[in-house]
Amino acid sequence: KQEVTQIPAALSVPEGENLVLNCSFTDSAIYNLQWFRQDPGKGLTSLLLIQSSQREQTSGRLNASLDKSSGRSTLYIAASQPGDSATYLCAVNERSYIPTFGRGTSLIVHP
Amino acid sequence: DAGVIQSPRHEVTEMGQEVTLRCKPISGHNSLFWYRQTMMRGLELLIYFNNNVPIDDSGMPEDRFSAKMPNASFSTLKIQPSEPRDSAVYFCASSRPTGGITEAFFGQGTRLTVV
Repeated sequence: KQEVTQIPAALSVPEGENLVLNCSFTDSAIYNLQWFRQDPGKGLTSLLLIQSSQREQTSGRLNASLDKSSGRSTLYIAASQPGDSATYLCAVNERSYIPTFGRGTSLIVHP
Repeated sequence: DAGVIQSPRHEVTEMGQEVTLRCKPISGHNSLFWYRQTMMRGLELLIYFNNNVPIDDSGMPEDRFSAKMPNASFSTLKIQPSEPRDSAVYFCASSRPTGGITEAFFGQGTRLTVV
């Protein structure tokens, strides 16, 4: 059974720092990996989708990398801002097409 | 497209009452998921439909929970009778798997409180 782990569980940083959020998964036979953002009391917003054949995807200040063979993905946030404060979740999609989620990293960026 | 639409956004009910949560997936998506999110357990998959057919319901906690998808544009999750431990946020998500691309889109969730 696929297990997804996210480290750290919580992170508090001053504005302007560059951040790395980590996601690891136990079964490397995945189709793709998706990073989401969840604001308090809200739904999940898709940030980036990386196909298994890709090594990274970029969107603005966000860059996600994927190392399928080692079962790892990282989400890099450049020049963090208070508006980036949220919970970030990663999910892997396998042959079953069912996203399996990690527990998330709760990020606080303070001014 | 308006995205995945869930209703109601908030539901407060008394223990023992029946609760029905509703979901309208994105038009053209043929996969639909119901998830439950709690602080203790995070996001848990309850049930997965493909082309309106339940494919995996192993996450449904017990017989009090049931889900239906009568057509491609509507799904319900019903809890009868409800219990305080069912209090959680319930999310519906949809996707259109194509050649291994399975980008999932989530609704805003229904926050259920059972008192």
